[in-house]
Amino acid sequence: GAGVSQTPSNKVTEKGKYVELRCDPISGHTALYWYRQSLGQGPEFLIYFQGTGAADDSGLPNDRFFAVRPEGSVSTLKIQRTERGDSAVYLCASSPSRDSTNEQFFGPGTRLTVL
Amino acid sequence: ELKVEQNPLFLSMQEGKNYTIYCNYSTTSDRLYWYRQDPGKSLESLFVLLSNGAVKQEGRLMASLDTKARLSTLHITAAVHDLSATYFCAVDNWAGNQFYFGTGTSLTVIP
Repeated sequence: GAGVSQTPSNKVTEKGKYVELRCDPISGHTALYWYRQSLGQGPEFLIYFQGTGAADDSGLPNDRFFAVRPEGSVSTLKIQRTERGDSAVYLCASSPSRDSTNEQFFGPGTRLTVL
Repeated sequence: ELKVEQNPLFLSMQEGKNYTIYCNYSTTSDRLYWYRQDPGKSLESLFVLLSNGAVKQEGRLMASLDTKARLSTLHITAAVHDLSATYFCAVDNWAGNQFYFGTGTSLTVIP
């Protein structure tokens, strides 16, 4: 079946602009996660959704970052007033349920470049 | 703060040789995950280890978990070039809603 998909695959923007990154999880997966991966590093947790609600947003670096999942499926990560330090690959993952193995399945990522 | 450390960070090995990658973590966790990442690609799930003493094998890779020592190993047997990639271990937090990843081990298998 279809895996996690993310769009766009690449996004180049200018400092100060607003961007939206989209994640389409595996059908039926209730849990959705956003991570950020900088070059040469492991992914860092940003936010976790269980259904429509953000169950844990403790990884969001500041209030310029916000994410929604209004219908419990597709999620959008929104970044306001982008800064050069926001440049990274943003990964989305989904999982069937927190009560199972908690195995997370990752999408291909969106590479964000802030000039 | 939960910390996950991998070593080595870089590994260059000849085809046919054996080697082990180590993953240490700083908190009690019964669940550990290994992922593979090829350059410019996303993470591919390799193993899910759910209890102390768990051992799983797939092809030339074998993973084990010792929760008392807070240590997992990824053993490579008779390496082949196709195994060249970056390997990450990850543990989840007590609530099971965050993964903490190690810094990764970049493996290069030389013909």
